[in-house]
Amino acid sequence: DAKTTQPNSMESNEEEPVHLPCNHSTISGTDYIHWYRQLPSQGPEYVIHGLTSNVNNRMASLAIAEDRKSSTLILHRATLRDAAVYYCILAGSGGSNYKLTFGKGTLLTVNP
Amino acid sequence: KAGVTQTPRYLIKTRGQQVTLSCSPISGHRSVSWYQQTPGQGLQFLFEYFSETQRNKGNFPGRFSGRQFSNSRSEMNVSTLELGDSALYLCASGVRGLDGYTFGSGTRLTVV
Repeated sequence: DAKTTQPNSMESNEEEPVHLPCNHSTISGTDYIHWYRQLPSQGPEYVIHGLTSNVNNRMASLAIAEDRKSSTLILHRATLRDAAVYYCILAGSGGSNYKLTFGKGTLLTVNP
Repeated sequence: KAGVTQTPRYLIKTRGQQVTLSCSPISGHRSVSWYQQTPGQGLQFLFEYFSETQRNKGNFPGRFSGRQFSNSRSEMNVSTLELGDSALYLCASGVRGLDGYTFGSGTRLTVV
């Protein structure tokens, strides 16, 4: 499985933007970049995913580097409810599509 | 719409016993995956079912098994329980993997 590298932890202030980086230098051409987050005492929650182009949804934006070797999850205005572990995951095509390989993720702390 | 439902929420079993966990996916979702989460190993993929067939399997011993019924509901079974099987077991359902998976809140299994 292609690996991702994320910082162990990051800190942000409430109502400020947060940029969560992810490196995936061994990504293959058919790997999708997925982001999930896990709030305390809950199962993971899907945030966003993309292949090549930047993506936006109601929760966040995903900026993908032109060479696809890195990506950034952007939370436009962090709230206290955004405090969670954020996972960057590569999900490939074919049989491995449906298997999410979670790393250790980034623990995001949001200060009031 | 109803989310992914896992039962029971909590379970305490004795070493050597077996256990069956249940997962009801979101209506219309035919892909169901199972994950184990422990403090030491994080989130690890167990297996994925689609249309009653196991499509992917993680690196777990044969004591871990599962099945999916025609209504997409899934069960996971662990036989001959060991202390190390104590974990949060999470079920996730999706349309076909490339889109986001929706996770349940999990079943907390404690083996004593």
